[in-house]
Amino acid sequence: NAGVTQTPKFQVLKTGQSMTLQCAQDMNHNSMYWYRQDPGMGLRLIYYSASEGTTDKGEVPNGYNVSRLNKREFSLRLESAAPSQTSVYFCASSVERGEQFFGPGTRLTVL
Amino acid sequence: AQSVTQPDIHITVSEGASLELRCNYSYGATPYLFWYVQSPGQGLQLLLKYFSGDTLVQGIKGFEAEFKRSQSSFNLRKPSVHWSDAAEYFCAVGAGGYQKVTFGTGTKLQVIP
Repeated sequence: NAGVTQTPKFQVLKTGQSMTLQCAQDMNHNSMYWYRQDPGMGLRLIYYSASEGTTDKGEVPNGYNVSRLNKREFSLRLESAAPSQTSVYFCASSVERGEQFFGPGTRLTVL
Repeated sequence: AQSVTQPDIHITVSEGASLELRCNYSYGATPYLFWYVQSPGQGLQLLLKYFSGDTLVQGIKGFEAEFKRSQSSFNLRKPSVHWSDAAEYFCAVGAGGYQKVTFGTGTKLQVIP
């Protein structure tokens, strides 16, 4: 099992560009999450999906959109990147009330 | 809504010494509690979790944590730290039927010879 995979691992964007971060899990989990991690702020939830076909906003959703394509895949889209979105992005998945399994992260820099 | 506080941003311990990392949570009912570890450049890995039952929870890599309802705490302990334990540690609290987890800001552990 690969667990949770994320692509790309690194990305540099210019202000105003768009991009999609991809996430996939092979553990048959219902729930999937997108977090951003910034120094001294821990992990903050951007969006989550309790099950296929549903998505909900987390703590910091502004500037992002998500798609739960199927049970395996959950993508995060930045429509018009801003320097404030420079961060490390983590995808995670879990069963309900279970531990979350994290991907390796995507390091995004917006110039 | 739940919240979690890790009061120590950075801790330095000598190899072989004991370790305790503090975590305090705020939630009206019994929460689900987790400790995760993150090595540099890596994702987070679960060390241990508490859902119910025995308040002393054993985890991987020789870690344990104790849930104290009266103190709203879930402190992480290890009797003898190894150099490979140097990492950042996150406490997290989940609540409700659907697991929406809130993470603390993390404690960075440095281990000196």
